[in-house]
Amino acid sequence: QSALTQPASVSGSPGQSITISCTGTSNDVGSYNLVSWYQQHPGKAPQIMIYEDNKRPSGVSNRFSGSKSGNTASLTISGLQAEDEAVYYCCSYAGSTTDVVFGGGTNLTVL
Amino acid sequence: QLQLQGSGPGLVKPSETLSLTCAVSGGSTSSRSYYWGWIRQPPGKGLEWIGSIYYSGSTSYNPSLKSRVTMSVDTSKNQFSLNLRSVTAADTAVYYCARVRAGGWFVEYWGQGTLVIVSS
Repeated sequence: QSALTQPASVSGSPGQSITISCTGTSNDVGSYNLVSWYQQHPGKAPQIMIYEDNKRPSGVSNRFSGSKSGNTASLTISGLQAEDEAVYYCCSYAGSTTDVVFGGGTNLTVL
Repeated sequence: QLQLQGSGPGLVKPSETLSLTCAVSGGSTSSRSYYWGWIRQPPGKGLEWIGSIYYSGSTSYNPSLKSRVTMSVDTSKNQFSLNLRSVTAADTAVYYCARVRAGGWFVEYWGQGTLVIVSS
């Protein structure tokens, strides 16, 4: 059982927007502005899409955005494209004893 | 551009020690701006944080693996390593080495991943 809770799957049509939630606790998501999101295509290493809750690395499309409210973080992808089909993982710093915890991953299907 | 190249045996026997090394190019393990981490992914499953090491040798491990894990860094060779003792089939996974931004705790760069199968 993963420390952070994500929906197992979400889907959307090209051009639509989707949001993936990531629920933690006051010990991780709720305590630090250190949630990151990763995209993983089959057979590939993950790559970072969002860091520190809502910052986007250079080279990542502005269709990807992050937000947080309390113990729940969210990743929103607007203008869905076929290439967005992948598994998305959230991740949060959880203090010096644990360091980092991951969510179980959300499989995004572009219909 | 930073590159992380993981290497090590792809097959380890139960009860033995899994040993992996990650060679860093295009960056320095002596940097104070980063931690060097290991993350694993069992086949068909999600990501699991194993732990991290700083250039100074300071380490932090996932509590669930702490009793079996040792990490080290060799700044002269610009590489870092993972040892996982007393492995079982449950340790079968793709093991990723990674560069983690200090203070931000996010993985900026991932290695290509090394599949390690635990089997006799």
